Amino acid sequence: QVQLVQSGSELKKPGASVKVSCKASGYTFTSYAINWLRQAPGQGLEWMGWINTNTGIPTYAQGFTGRFVFSLDTSVSTAYLQISSLKAEDTAVYSCARDTYYYDTSGYKYYFDYWGQGTLVTVSS
Amino acid sequence: DIQMTQSPSSLSASVGDRVTITCRASQSISTYLNWYQQKQGKAPKVLIYAASSLQSGVPSRFTGSGSGTDFTLSISSLQAEDFATYYCQQSYSTPRTFGQGTKVEMK
Repeated sequence: QVQLVQSGSELKKPGASVKVSCKASGYTFTSYAINWLRQAPGQGLEWMGWINTNTGIPTYAQGFTGRFVFSLDTSVSTAYLQISSLKAEDTAVYSCARDTYYYDTSGYKYYFDYWGQGTLVTVSS
Repeated sequence: DIQMTQSPSSLSASVGDRVTITCRASQSISTYLNWYQQKQGKAPKVLIYAASSLQSGVPSRFTGSGSGTDFTLSISSLQAEDFATYYCQQSYSTPRTFGQGTKVEMK
């Protein structure tokens, strides 16, 4: 069965870096893009961007450029999110999600069909 | 960016009630609209994609409708396991934006 399993919670000091992993199983990793999403405590869902698992090319949403890096290791079917120069406001649950689509006459309609369990990153001195 | 606005932000309902949540897009998005359910401390789960298509394994009491700018998610007979937060999300353009969520609580 399809699974996305993320690395465990992290506690970091301001200015440090963190790398969150998302290991896929149960399907061909390079056949589906991986998205990253953020959910701050008590808040809604925010799309950070996605990475093409075929080419490794990432696309970042506004507000997630510079300090945020998406990467892959296709040999172990794993996607990574690295955040540098951490700030207190980066405290959130970070989740990966697989992209799939439904095609009809009006086009390709993408949605997130499988999600990782989420990784809590806490930034505190 | 396309803004997604859900209403209400929260509602109280009882088991067996019919529940309707609305989602409005700031511009037309055809049927590029998905609905997710999130339970406390858990990952979201897709319920409806392309506005009205039921994801495999999701109970038929969940239905989605709408096109253009106005969409609804309905639960025909609320069950105990349906108390959760529901999000709409558009996939018409990037960034893929979500509504702010609707929390369905027990009355």
